[in-house]
Amino acid sequence: ETGVTQTPRHLVMGMTNKKSLKCEQHLGHNAMYWYKQSAKKPLELMFVYNFKEQTENNSVPSRFSPECPNSSHLFLHLHTLQPEDSALYLCASSQDLVLRDRVNEQYFGPGTRLTVT
Amino acid sequence: GQQVMQIPQYQHVQEGEDFTTYCNSSTTLSNIQWYKQRPGGHPVFLIQLVKSGEVKKQKRLTFQFGEAKKNSSLHITATQTTDVGTYFCAGLLGLDDKIIFGKGTRLHILP
Repeated sequence: ETGVTQTPRHLVMGMTNKKSLKCEQHLGHNAMYWYKQSAKKPLELMFVYNFKEQTENNSVPSRFSPECPNSSHLFLHLHTLQPEDSALYLCASSQDLVLRDRVNEQYFGPGTRLTVT
Repeated sequence: GQQVMQIPQYQHVQEGEDFTTYCNSSTTLSNIQWYKQRPGGHPVFLIQLVKSGEVKKQKRLTFQFGEAKKNSSLHITATQTTDVGTYFCAGLLGLDDKIIFGKGTRLHILP
């Protein structure tokens, strides 16, 4: 256990469905991240939040909508997805966005395995 | 765009042989981190290197950061079956504090 939990662990959805992925961290961290991991792009950063504010959106399609209500929770809302969106979605957190003089590792959750049919 | 290139993409070694993966950046890195992801698991932090020319060891693992802070390597001595997994480097690009992950090197151990 890394202190980062994700639910659900597995999700199968149709292209017209709306679903949400949830991430929670119990580490008191200020930064949270969404990654997409697939065979083609092993670890692709999607969104970054720092103190609940979105600091990075890596040209992610609008069918993925993140939400960060507080520093401990991060959601990824999904709607009208495509089969190519099937992947492992990983959430991570770190103490801060950047800690130049200290170790600032990211703690990853177990991921949600998403299949879009 | 800014990238952190990691090679090789795959590596098969006999158990007991050594293994090395390399990361290269076209721009100077503030620091570099290494992660390991076991099959079916999630990335787990291994180490962070900050200083030019830094070398750190963790048992059979040796991590190096280049003098120009543009490249790094992870070397495993006498691999064991527990070393199986994908090793990722993640560079912190100095200009805009952007974290970029390499594509990873998948290590497979032949018994």
